[in-house]
Amino acid sequence: ETGVTQTPRHLVMGMTNKKSLKCEQHLGHNAMYWYKQSAKKPLELMFVYNFKEQTENNSVPSRFSPECPNSSHLFLHLHTLQPEDSALYLCASRRATNSPLHFGNGTRLTVT
Amino acid sequence: GQNIDQPTEMTATEGAIVQINCTYQTSGFNGLFWYQQHAGEAPTFLSYNVLDGLEEKGRFSSFLSRSKGYSYLLLKELQMKDSASYLCAVSNSGYALNFGKGTSLLVTP
Repeated sequence: ETGVTQTPRHLVMGMTNKKSLKCEQHLGHNAMYWYKQSAKKPLELMFVYNFKEQTENNSVPSRFSPECPNSSHLFLHLHTLQPEDSALYLCASRRATNSPLHFGNGTRLTVT
Repeated sequence: GQNIDQPTEMTATEGAIVQINCTYQTSGFNGLFWYQQHAGEAPTFLSYNVLDGLEEKGRFSSFLSRSKGYSYLLLKELQMKDSASYLCAVSNSGYALNFGKGTSLLVTP
């Protein structure tokens, strides 16, 4: 149990589908993150929320839409994705900028 | 922006010592983190340095030189289970935490 739970663990979707990834943290942290991990590439920071307010958006295409209704929940809404969006999507949270990130187990996304 | 470099792959022998280097360039610095990631699993936190010097935690130690933009992770008494990817991550003055590509370590018998 990592304290950060992501669902689903695996997702296969067509390019015209709409789906959502869910993340929930039980650690009382204030900041939540979405990262994308592709083969042979570093972990790419996508979005950061601190106290439900978005503080970072790393030029992510609009087909990825984050939502943070409260400090414990984070969603990533997906629509009209491309095959190159296939990757492992990791959610993480942390208490403060000088504390470590705690990661969920990720959602393995395949876009067909 | 940030530029974080670390070697792609390293191989070491069980029982030996290995040093994984990380160099970085960043505007604003609020600490450097090391993570371990086994294949198919989430990254797990190993160490944090914000001041210059060496932080020791069991078999793992991490060193930081802010003036040189340099850190290393030292793994002693290597075990087979230490075969994994080791990720260097730099925190800027905000909430962003950016990662290097990771170093894939293979420990051989």
